[in-house]
Amino acid sequence: GESVGLHLPTLSVQEGDNSIINCAYSNSASDYFIWYKQESGKGPQFIIDIRSNMDKRQGQRVTVLLNKTVKHLSLQIAATQPGDSAVYFCAEIFSGSARQLTFGSGTQLTVLP
Amino acid sequence: EPEVTQTPSHQVTQMGQEVILRCVPISNHLYFYWYRQILGQKVEFLVSFYNNEISEKSEIFDDQFSVERPDGSNFTLKIRSTKLEDSAMYFCASSEGRATAKNTGELFFGEGSRLTVL
Repeated sequence: GESVGLHLPTLSVQEGDNSIINCAYSNSASDYFIWYKQESGKGPQFIIDIRSNMDKRQGQRVTVLLNKTVKHLSLQIAATQPGDSAVYFCAEIFSGSARQLTFGSGTQLTVLP
Repeated sequence: EPEVTQTPSHQVTQMGQEVILRCVPISNHLYFYWYRQILGQKVEFLVSFYNNEISEKSEIFDDQFSVERPDGSNFTLKIRSTKLEDSAMYFCASSEGRATAKNTGELFFGEGSRLTVL
C-alpha cells in the first residue's frame, strides 16, 4: 500500500508487506528532517533522520527518501509488522530556529494480520 | 536508558483554574521544549528554553502560559487560567544541543501529560 501524502491520513497494509508513508514539508530552508512514530497515548519516538545534503538514508527495516525539489519526504518500512501500527509524523528543522521541530499532520498506519 | 519524565500523566481541571505540568528532562541536556497535541491533530510547538530563558515561542504561547526551571532538574509549564481549548496532550522534550551541521539536535520526548479542562 502507498500513502499519497497528508491528504490520506490512514494507511492499511498486510503484515509482511512494505509500507510507504509520504510527507510534504513546508520550509525550503529546512535542513534536517526526522520521522517520528507515535503509539497511542505515548510521546513521539525517533525513527530515522536525514540531512538536507542527502537524498536517502537507511536504517533497520526503514528507509527515508528526501526530494528537496518538490519538498517531499517518504518513509519506507520493509516487512511491516503488527508493532509498526502507529501514527507516523515527519518533522522538519531549520537549524537557524530555536523552535527545532515543525511536525506534519501524521499518517495512521494499521498493519493487518 | 535516560528518558524524559512528565507528571501528572492526566489532570482534570475546571475552566479558569491554574495548572502546572512538570517535566524532568534528560540530565545532560541543555535545551528544553513544550509541545502540545490536541486530540487527533498534529504536534504543535509551544516554547523552547535554553540558558534559563525562552529562546522562541509560538503564537499559541500567550500571556496565560509561562515556563520555569525552578531547580536543576525540573522544567515546568504553567497555564494561569485554563480554557476549554487548552485541553490537549502536553509533551515535554529535551535535547543535548541544537541541530547544526555537526549535531543532529535530536529531541527526546516524554510520555505526555493529558490535560482535560471542564
